Amino acid sequence: NAGVTQTPKFQVLKTGQSMTLQCAQDMNHEYMSWYRQDPGMGLRLIHYSVGAGITDQGEVPNGYNVSRSTTEDFPLRLLSAAPSQTSVYFCASSYSRTGLRGTEAFFGQGTRLTVV
Amino acid sequence: AQSVTQLGSHVSVSEGALVLLRCNYSSSVPPYLFWYVQYPNQGLQLLLKYTSAATLVKGINGFEAEFKKSETSFHLTKPSAHMSDAAEYFCANQAGTALIFGKGTTLSVSS
Repeated sequence: NAGVTQTPKFQVLKTGQSMTLQCAQDMNHEYMSWYRQDPGMGLRLIHYSVGAGITDQGEVPNGYNVSRSTTEDFPLRLLSAAPSQTSVYFCASSYSRTGLRGTEAFFGQGTRLTVV
Repeated sequence: AQSVTQLGSHVSVSEGALVLLRCNYSSSVPPYLFWYVQYPNQGLQLLLKYTSAATLVKGINGFEAEFKKSETSFHLTKPSAHMSDAAEYFCANQAGTALIFGKGTTLSVSS
């Protein structure tokens, strides 16, 4: 039972490079989301999706793109990496978009990204 | 607007002492509140959640939290700290389609 799987675990990028952080879940969850974690800031929502083909912006979406072509996968794309995007990124999934309230979010192990 | 405030970015206790981590929320709709724990270099794991069924919620590893509407609080407690409780703890409120997190409290436990 894998749960939420994120790859890679670590990544170093040069300023201006692009890359995709992968997130996959095997729980058939409709709701998926991406957060970034910075020291003293808690977790801030970047983008989320309530089902395949549906995505929306969170609190800090600038510089990131997402798509949701399947229920299982929710990749996060950095278009042109900047040092301000140095962070730990977490993907999470939850059971139901309509009955979301009160449902537990399951988190991946995180991707530690450094932009130099 | 929804918000979550965790009082104290760092709490230190001795092994066997009471653990109290504070969380206050602001919400225009009935809140759904969570406590998550994050061990070093790991993802977040659910400790417990409040979904209006009972105001005193028991979670894993001996933790519990009490929802107090009049104080807009959802403080996390554990009667006796263990070294293995050292971690970062996050309070969160589910607002619509998003989890709004507090900034976290790092718990240190000394022997």
